Amino acid sequence: AQKITQTQPGMFVQEKEAVTLDCTYDTSDQSYGLFWYKQPSSGEMIFLIYQGSYDEQNATEGRYSLNFQKARKSANLVISASQLGDSAMYFCAMREGPSGSARQLTFGSGTQLTVLP
Amino acid sequence: EAQVTQNPRYLITVTGKKLTVTCSQNMNHEYMSWYRQDPGLGLRQIYYSMNVEVTDKGDVPEGYKVSRKEKRNFPLILESPSPNQTSLYFCASTWGGQGAFGANVLTFGAGSRLTVL
Repeated sequence: AQKITQTQPGMFVQEKEAVTLDCTYDTSDQSYGLFWYKQPSSGEMIFLIYQGSYDEQNATEGRYSLNFQKARKSANLVISASQLGDSAMYFCAMREGPSGSARQLTFGSGTQLTVLP
Repeated sequence: EAQVTQNPRYLITVTGKKLTVTCSQNMNHEYMSWYRQDPGLGLRQIYYSMNVEVTDKGDVPEGYKVSRKEKRNFPLILESPSPNQTSLYFCASTWGGQGAFGANVLTFGAGSRLTVL
């Protein structure tokens, strides 16, 4: 079974609107971490946001928030007030095990987001 | 500036001609890893290293070798490249503290685009 599933290969959003990128995960570990990375057309990988499995509050970083629903095993990324510069590929990733278990980082297949003017 | 440096950034080679992609980090990170990125598959881990002289296979290690003789360097070796190794390769690093709390956020290199003819 896929450990990280991103079901939206491509998404479009109008500038200044909010958009949600879906991510579901599968793990039997109690301790794990969830990450979102952005990859613009230039190719670099940019860390956006992190959520630990024991964190009770949803993570937020500026216009990015992570909608963490533990029972549903989902970790959706919400981008508020989309900007043209948000057009990129977005990857969800999971670290299984506690911090220090970096070897278990698994990535989803990605969602290509296009922001329309 | 804290960074992961990969070289070369672009390479076109022929089947069977040995090549090495270098990776160096200046953050004193214990953990280093290589990923390959292919369309529709996201990033898949090739090899990782928890510290000097400690390496282990990731999900797709066939056809690759690595070594970790120094903490800062983690070269990826393709002894006899084949066309199915045409891909975008990323080196990444993070601190490798065991049992600590918080994220092990990977810092990525800029990527190396390899074409094997």
